[in-house]
Amino acid sequence: DGGITQSPKYLFRKEGQNVTLSCEQNLNHDAMYWYRQDPGQGLRLIYYSQIVNDFQKGDIAEGYSVSREKKESFPLTVTSAQKNPTAFYLCASSPGLAGVTTQYFGPGTRLLVL
Amino acid sequence: QQQVKQSPQSLIVQKGGISIINCAYENTAFDYFPWYQQFPGKGPALLIAIRPDVSEKKEGRFTISFNKSAKQFSLHIMDSQPGDSATYFCAASKAGNQFYFGTGTSLTVIP
Repeated sequence: DGGITQSPKYLFRKEGQNVTLSCEQNLNHDAMYWYRQDPGQGLRLIYYSQIVNDFQKGDIAEGYSVSREKKESFPLTVTSAQKNPTAFYLCASSPGLAGVTTQYFGPGTRLLVL
Repeated sequence: QQQVKQSPQSLIVQKGGISIINCAYENTAFDYFPWYQQFPGKGPALLIAIRPDVSEKKEGRFTISFNKSAKQFSLHIMDSQPGDSATYFCAASKAGNQFYFGTGTSLTVIP
């Protein structure tokens, strides 16, 4: 069963705590993305990675960090420097090949601050 | 600066009616324009997409109209059904790199 999985579905963060959101894909896609979704603001790009061991900042990277040690995994860490982390976080992947640009999304993780 | 502007923010349509959502973009280098459908608490799912070399693409009740000179594209949902009630996002990208999304349209189809 191919697709993108994100875990956990809900995550609670305490003040000053770092938390890590998981994203795994078995589509053999080269490119992976993290978006943040807030009501009325659409999807905003946090980080993206076109190949293993390489990633670039998106529009709102401050307070976040990522790693891409394996092709199928792209975890996102929300650090204590992110002062307003409450949001719906979406992971996506795409083949990353020229001319094949469809982007597929995971089911999302909702992060709440205690 | 918003790369892709979407309107309206919300839309209410009677069952059987036509839903129309519009998007405009600035960067003429964009070469891929997808529409996504998102239900509450779920990730967006690709609905239909178009490239700038065609002016229209139809898949079932969903049609994308594309106007390259005006830098605009729109989604038409024919015979709208209550099950179509969701949030719809337009997007644009260049060569499969960074995707830029509109702010979304919340569609409600009333029976």
